[in-house]
Amino acid sequence: DAGVTQSPTHLIKTRGQQVTLRCSPKSGHDTVSWYQQALGQGPQFIFQYYEEEERQRGNFPDRFSGHQFPNYSSELNVNALLLGDSALYLCASSLGSVTGGFYNEQFFGPGTRLTVL
Amino acid sequence: DQQVKQNSPSLSVQEGRISILNCDYTNSMFDYFLWYKKYPAEGPTFLISISSIKDKNEDGRFTVFLNKSAKHLSLHIVPSQPGDSAVYFCAASAGVQGAQKLVFGQGTRLTINP
Repeated sequence: DAGVTQSPTHLIKTRGQQVTLRCSPKSGHDTVSWYQQALGQGPQFIFQYYEEEERQRGNFPDRFSGHQFPNYSSELNVNALLLGDSALYLCASSLGSVTGGFYNEQFFGPGTRLTVL
Repeated sequence: DQQVKQNSPSLSVQEGRISILNCDYTNSMFDYFLWYKKYPAEGPTFLISISSIKDKNEDGRFTVFLNKSAKHLSLHIVPSQPGDSAVYFCAASAGVQGAQKLVFGQGTRLTINP
């Protein structure tokens, strides 16, 4: 059973460019969350997609947008890249439905390392 | 506004001894807490969790303690092994049901010395 996969592994862009990162969730999962991890910091929640809609959003500007496809895979798009967008971008998948009061564990992918020059 | 804080960036422990990692939080709405472990070039992996209705949860060598009045939790690893060397993140969630967003601390790099 493949876990969460992300592509590409590494990416180098220049300021002002646009980037698209991709995530395939763990088999059976229908919810994808995206996190940004800057160097020396913990992951920060960007947004979450469930049933092809953005369900929750963190404190990130509109330059960060996403999409979820019918097969539950997801994309993260960042426009007008800034130097400060350089980070490890993590995708986490889980079940999104309420399951009798239990927390639905989030499984993380290995991340995409984005460098903005 | 750092709602979850891990004040020790690094910790070094002798193999076989106890490792204690600490975490503080400020948001009273948090009711579920987790510890994740991260190796280089890998995503964080879930280690252990605790609901706010409990004060202790144990899983093998790992025990998490929660002190709600102090808004403090800790992870104990006994005995520590070289494979435990990694970065440990404390995370919190407001709301147990479904897939809630996680708020992470900055992480503590644990090194286990042989």
